[in-house]
Amino acid sequence: NAGVTQTPKFRVLKTGQSMTLLCAQDMNHEYMYWYRQDPGMGLRLIHYSVGEGTTAKGEVPDGYNVSRLKKQNFLLGLESAAPSQTSVYFCASSYTQGRLQETQYFGPGTRLLVL
Amino acid sequence: AQSVTQPDIHITVSEGASLELRCNYSYGATPYLFWYVQSPGQGLQLLLKYFSGDTLVQGIKGFEAEFKRSQSSFNLRKPSVHWSDAAEYFCAVGASNFGNEKLTFGTGTRLTIIP
Repeated sequence: NAGVTQTPKFRVLKTGQSMTLLCAQDMNHEYMYWYRQDPGMGLRLIHYSVGEGTTAKGEVPDGYNVSRLKKQNFLLGLESAAPSQTSVYFCASSYTQGRLQETQYFGPGTRLLVL
Repeated sequence: AQSVTQPDIHITVSEGASLELRCNYSYGATPYLFWYVQSPGQGLQLLLKYFSGDTLVQGIKGFEAEFKRSQSSFNLRKPSVHWSDAAEYFCAVGASNFGNEKLTFGTGTRLTIIP
């Protein structure tokens, strides 16, 4: 099992450009998440999905869109990149059963630089 | 809403010495608590988690944590650190109500090990 994979690993964008980050998991997890990590701020949740075809806003959703067309994939889109979106982006997935909060498994991250 | 405080931004410990990383949480009900570790350039890996039951939980790599409800704390400990433990450590709290399976992370504690 590859676990959680993220594509690309690193990207440089110019302000105003768009891009899509891809997250894929092969663990048949229902839940998927997108976080951003900035120095001194820990991880902050951007958007998440509780199942195929569903998405929800997290703590910092502005400037991002997501889609979950297939259970194994969770896409994060930046329509018009801004320097404030320079960050490291992590995808995670978990299998939540009933009322239990299961472990989140993280991908290796995507480092994004917006000039 | 839940929150997590990790009061120590950076801790330096000698190899072989004991370690305690502090974590305080805020949540109205019984929380789900996690410790994750992030090695440089890597994603996050779960060290241990607390859902219920025994308040002293054992994790991987010789780590343990104790849940103290009266102090709203979930401190991470290791009796003897190894150079490979140098990393960033994140405490996280999850809500226990179904439909709110998000994790809230602390800002992290960076651990440096000196010979």
